[in-house]
Amino acid sequence: EVQLLESGGGLVQPGGSLRLSCAGSGFTFNMHAMSWVRQAPGKGLEWVSTISDSGGTTSYADSVKGRFTISRDNSKNTFYLQMDSLRAEDTAVYYCAKCSRSGYYKGDYFDKWGQGILVTVSS
Amino acid sequence: QSVLTQPPSVSGAPGQRVTISCTGSNSNLGAVYDVHWYQQLPGTAPKLLIYGINNRPSGVPDRFSGSKSGTSASLAITGLQTEDEAGYYCQSYDTSLSGWVFGGGTKLTVL
Repeated sequence: EVQLLESGGGLVQPGGSLRLSCAGSGFTFNMHAMSWVRQAPGKGLEWVSTISDSGGTTSYADSVKGRFTISRDNSKNTFYLQMDSLRAEDTAVYYCAKCSRSGYYKGDYFDKWGQGILVTVSS
Repeated sequence: QSVLTQPPSVSGAPGQRVTISCTGSNSNLGAVYDVHWYQQLPGTAPKLLIYGINNRPSGVPDRFSGSKSGTSASLAITGLQTEDEAGYYCQSYDTSLSGWVFGGGTKLTVL
């Protein structure tokens, strides 16, 4: 059974940093691109970032570009989201999601999701 | 404002059929990339419902179906059940934004 488990969320002050982790199991982790998707309180889903299976290709939403960094450690079946210069509008539940294909495919979809972790940016 | 436009809410009685629309543009639904749909039950993570326009993952009932024409897509749910009450999101890729995009979401109420 595919499982994705996020960790590292919490309360942080504006301008601060936080690193989210997502550990995957039940599938061949190094053969799938992985993504972060967030959902602000009472709002819809927003794609944040994707990293290819090898880690060689990454992409970001304009709203986080230059502030967030996605990375992965295939030896640990884990990928990360380093969030710097956090703003109030980054407050959301962050979901890690498994992309359906190996490699990096723009027509891809998110076939498994973690349970989500809350990040709150507030003073 | 979302790149893909969905109605905020739809409703139907048990047993009825409802459709949820998803309207985009030539840079997303009108481009080469497929549309996918997700179901989010209250208080839970999203779940893949339909992929590649009209394919259902294992375990998704055939009451759910999808379609696409030009820059629009639709999700149809037949034989509505109370457990279908949830949020529904369409998703594709946008070539202008160089990223994945979601619709704003539609809340389905089963009366």
